[in-house]
Amino acid sequence: GQNIDQPTEMTATEGAIVQINCTYQTSGFNGLFWYQQHAGEAPTFLSYNVLDGLEEKGRFSSFLSRSKGYSYLLLKELQMKDSASYLCAVRVNDYKLSFGAGTTVTVRA
Amino acid sequence: NAGVTQTPKFRVLKTGQSMTLLCAQDMNHEYMYWYRQDPGMGLRLIHYSVGEGTTAKGEVPDGYNVSRLKKQNFLLGLESAAPSQTSVYFCASRFGLAQRDTQYFGPGTRLTVL
Repeated sequence: GQNIDQPTEMTATEGAIVQINCTYQTSGFNGLFWYQQHAGEAPTFLSYNVLDGLEEKGRFSSFLSRSKGYSYLLLKELQMKDSASYLCAVRVNDYKLSFGAGTTVTVRA
Repeated sequence: NAGVTQTPKFRVLKTGQSMTLLCAQDMNHEYMYWYRQDPGMGLRLIHYSVGEGTTAKGEVPDGYNVSRLKKQNFLLGLESAAPSQTSVYFCASRFGLAQRDTQYFGPGTRLTVL
């Protein structure tokens, strides 16, 4: 089976930085995705990493270390609208993604 | 361009009833997926399709059947609904096999089985 772990909940203040960690042990690895999911809505794509290192996209950055089976999503300059669940997903073969249970981030004023 | 659409948005069934969930995409995507999402468990793959006329089992296929008669549509059927199938169901599609190709998700169907 696939094992993808991320914290259940995190809370941070508006304007702050939050780092969501994801560790994985999977049967295969063909890239790692981060999705954002607001309550009652569909997941939407945030970032993709397949090589080690940092990918930056505006206020969001994602990091990958394949040797450690580890990734993190960094959210900077937090805004109230960033309150959502963040899903870590590993592409385990050409066709399939395996998802973590998600991290619910609450941004407080 | 509607993206990925799902019907219905909500449904309540009694145990033993059957129903079909419809997923449609207008992006000419080759691959389509059905997931269920339950609290604390993340998204779990039920079935998927790698092209028109093909289907394959995911990690939780029992109690579900699928069909992909047309490239743009992917149907999920429950022949005899059980309370354990109460969940939110998401359909997703993906253009091709390029590594960066992400999955695009529909808005979800909230199903309650009494």
